[in-house]
Amino acid sequence: AQRVTQPEKLLSVFKGAPVELKCNYSYSGSPELFWYVQYSRQRLQLLLRHISRESIKGFTADLNKGETSFHLKKPFAQEEDSAMYYCALPPLGSGGSNYKLTFGKGTLLTVNP
Amino acid sequence: ETGVTQTPRHLVMGMTNKKSLKCEQHLGHNAMYWYKQSAKKPLELMFVYNFKEQTENNSVPSRFSPECPNSSHLFLHLHTLQPEDSALYLCASSQVKNSPLHFGNGTRLTVT
Repeated sequence: AQRVTQPEKLLSVFKGAPVELKCNYSYSGSPELFWYVQYSRQRLQLLLRHISRESIKGFTADLNKGETSFHLKKPFAQEEDSAMYYCALPPLGSGGSNYKLTFGKGTLLTVNP
Repeated sequence: ETGVTQTPRHLVMGMTNKKSLKCEQHLGHNAMYWYKQSAKKPLELMFVYNFKEQTENNSVPSRFSPECPNSSHLFLHLHTLQPEDSALYLCASSQVKNSPLHFGNGTRLTVT
């Protein structure tokens, strides 16, 4: 069965420091992965998706098939980055379908001034 | 109002009550979803509707009954719930199956 693991429940960094939120997956094949974010008092929303290969709010995520990881990185964290981050994986063979996304348990990032 | 709207924001109900959660999306999306978010657990998909047809039922107990009268509205009818059903229930929508999910703010349900 496919699985998404976010090993860190909490992550705390200082403003300006690099940040890396870890996500590991178990999947047979080439997955398409997502990062969703929930800022305080806001709704859960898509941050970025693997297939887009884009940088959103300074965050990037690279798929490493050898390590089965999709870690989210930002070189210089800002206080406004403090939020709950979820890694998500669509079903095998679905072509990236949302229909049965498997979410990780999430990592709460706190960026201290 | 644009986006995905859920009502009520908070709901407290007894185990013998019957209540309904409502979700409305103004994004012109074709798919709608119910997710459950419990403490210490990942987001769990409950139901998916695509063009008003149910395409997923993720082994959800029958005390949860979804209804999708049209592509813009989604309901979750609740009856004889258990205290362990207390959670945040999130509604989401998407244009097509490969497009991003747009979530509502959720309904915080407490079963007493």
